[in-house]
Amino acid sequence: DQQVKQNSPSLSVQEGRISILNCDYTNSMFDYFLWYKKYPAEGPTFLISISSIKDKNEDGRFTVFLNKSAKHLSLHIVPSQPGDSAVYFCAANIRGAQKLVFGQGTRLTINP
Amino acid sequence: DTGVSQDPRHKITKRGQNVTFRCDPISEHNRLYWYRQTLGQGPEFLTYFQNEAQLEKSRLLSDRFSAERPKGSFSTLEIQRTEQGDSAMYLCASSLSRLSSGANVLTFGAGSRLTVL
Repeated sequence: DQQVKQNSPSLSVQEGRISILNCDYTNSMFDYFLWYKKYPAEGPTFLISISSIKDKNEDGRFTVFLNKSAKHLSLHIVPSQPGDSAVYFCAANIRGAQKLVFGQGTRLTINP
Repeated sequence: DTGVSQDPRHKITKRGQNVTFRCDPISEHNRLYWYRQTLGQGPEFLTYFQNEAQLEKSRLLSDRFSAERPKGSFSTLEIQRTEQGDSAMYLCASSLSRLSSGANVLTFGAGSRLTVL
């Protein structure tokens, strides 16, 4: 039962362009969505979150968009930098619960 | 604070042996989580503690797995009679109690990689 899905295992983007990572979910009880970034040999690190009552949250080069009717969210990175090359995980909080439910991840490669 | 620490970082063992992993969370965090990650997948929830109380366990946590947090600080995850299917990265995370209005942001350690031969 995959409640959070990232259907693109990998994405390659040229440096300076926009990176768009996508995530779909099925559970209407999710009240917060989070994006994590993971480098090899390190744990996932928190990037940005969005409440289910919002449709956009921005933090520097990172913007997350939420489309509740489509149960879809996306992370935009602009401009993309070589240091952004990592695996990105979409995660969600169930209302009233403490754990996070993760997607499978998307490996982003930024090409010079 | 040095963040979430996990030990050992790598463990290679033979099938049938027992292994134990340790996690030291961020000191002011009262919640501690264990996740498992296999190749090509995202982290999967195993269990979590609030202080010393284990409040939720996933069905992934078979009888061979046991987690403790005896004094509400560090935690251990023990796997008895290891199987090859237990090979994975075991991630520990910690957080403060979730506010009524806010995301539950977990801070992860670097993980303990288990290889069962």
